[in-house]
Amino acid sequence: EVQMLESGGDFIQPGGSLKLSCAASGFMFSRFHISWVRQTPGKGPEWVATIDFTGDVTYYADSVKGRFIISRDNSKDILHLQMTGLRVEDTAVYHCCKGGGEYRAFDPWGPGTLVTVSS
Amino acid sequence: AIRITQSPSSLSASIGDRVTITCRANENIYGHLAWYQQKAGTAPKVLIYDTSILQSGVPSRFSGGGYGTDFTLTISGLQSEDVATYYCQQCHGYPLTFGGGTKVEVK
Repeated sequence: EVQMLESGGDFIQPGGSLKLSCAASGFMFSRFHISWVRQTPGKGPEWVATIDFTGDVTYYADSVKGRFIISRDNSKDILHLQMTGLRVEDTAVYHCCKGGGEYRAFDPWGPGTLVTVSS
Repeated sequence: AIRITQSPSSLSASIGDRVTITCRANENIYGHLAWYQQKAGTAPKVLIYDTSILQSGVPSRFSGGGYGTDFTLTISGLQSEDVATYYCQQCHGYPLTFGGGTKVEVK
């Protein structure tokens, strides 16, 4: 069974930094694009970033470009999201998802980890 | 960026009714569209990908259609377990974008 499990969410002040991780299992991690998608309660999902299967090519939403970095460790089947310069509007549940490249849907989604940015 | 307009934003229908949700893209995305179902308190799950291919385990009362800029999700015979919010998403190009969602309720 394909599974994604996020960790690292926390309560943090504006301007702070946080690193999220996602452990993947049940599939050949190194053969797929992997993505982060966030969702604020009561609102629709928002794509954040995607990394290709090699780790060499990354894509970002304009809202996070220059502040967030997506990376992966194919030897450990782990995805990361380094977040800096956090803003109140970054508050959301962050999901890691298999897919988001090569015209593939996000499938599956992890349960998510909550990031709260507030003073 | 590719904008996706989803309608309606909410609907209420009776058990057994046929329900249709529409997504329109502001440019040609060919068949690169997925549909997700999100039940309260859980992460979204893909129902349909590539416009019309049912994900394994999804009931056959769900179907998807369309091409280019106009797409539909149809539930042929609404069931109580279909109460959820449904999102479409274009998989064609970056930034990847979602429709605004349709909340489906049972009368």
